[in-house]
Amino acid sequence: EAGVAQSPRYKIIEKRQSVAFWCNPISGHATLYWYQQILGQGPKLLIQFQNNGVVDDSQLPKDRFSAERLKGVDSTLKIQPAKLEDSAVYLCASSLDLGEQYEQYFGPGTRLTVT
Amino acid sequence: AQRVTQPEKLLSVFKGAPVELKCNYSYSGSPELFWYVQYSRQRLQLLLRHISRESIKGFTADLNKGETSFHLKKPFAQEEDSAMYYCALRGYTGTASKLTFGTGTRLQVTL
Repeated sequence: EAGVAQSPRYKIIEKRQSVAFWCNPISGHATLYWYQQILGQGPKLLIQFQNNGVVDDSQLPKDRFSAERLKGVDSTLKIQPAKLEDSAVYLCASSLDLGEQYEQYFGPGTRLTVT
Repeated sequence: AQRVTQPEKLLSVFKGAPVELKCNYSYSGSPELFWYVQYSRQRLQLLLRHISRESIKGFTADLNKGETSFHLKKPFAQEEDSAMYYCALRGYTGTASKLTFGTGTRLQVTL
């Protein structure tokens, strides 16, 4: 079974530029998560989708971050404009469904450096 | 609010020595606790969850509600246990749940 795919793996941009990350979850997984992991910290949930609807985006900085999952499969996370403090690894995860019994499977992450 | 604390950034032990990775949590409801592991150049993956009460790769963790702790233990460390370990808590806000991770502890097993 193929795992969660993410691209690009690495991205370097200057502050005030825009960037987008792509995630392809495990086939059949209804729930998709985006996490931000700053160096030295644990992953922090940014947004959670159930199919193409948002379940929780309470920790997403909506003035600059946006995410969508239009067809309930792939998802894109965008930052516009980027700040230095956005430098982090962005992790995508998916699970079969919303219930607590369903394990989250993580992708390899995208490492973003903002200069 | 939910919070997970892992007080040690690095734990270095000798092969064959016992391991205890500490985790304390703060949560007003009934907690669900997990341990995740990330081996070098691999993805973050679930190691074990408290509701399963199982031993995975020789690791166990017991939820102590009185001390609000969920420490990860292994009696004899192996070289392949060297990795980054994250404790996580699932909390609920209404019907939505989310995982809150600690800052992680790097376990280094040396010969």
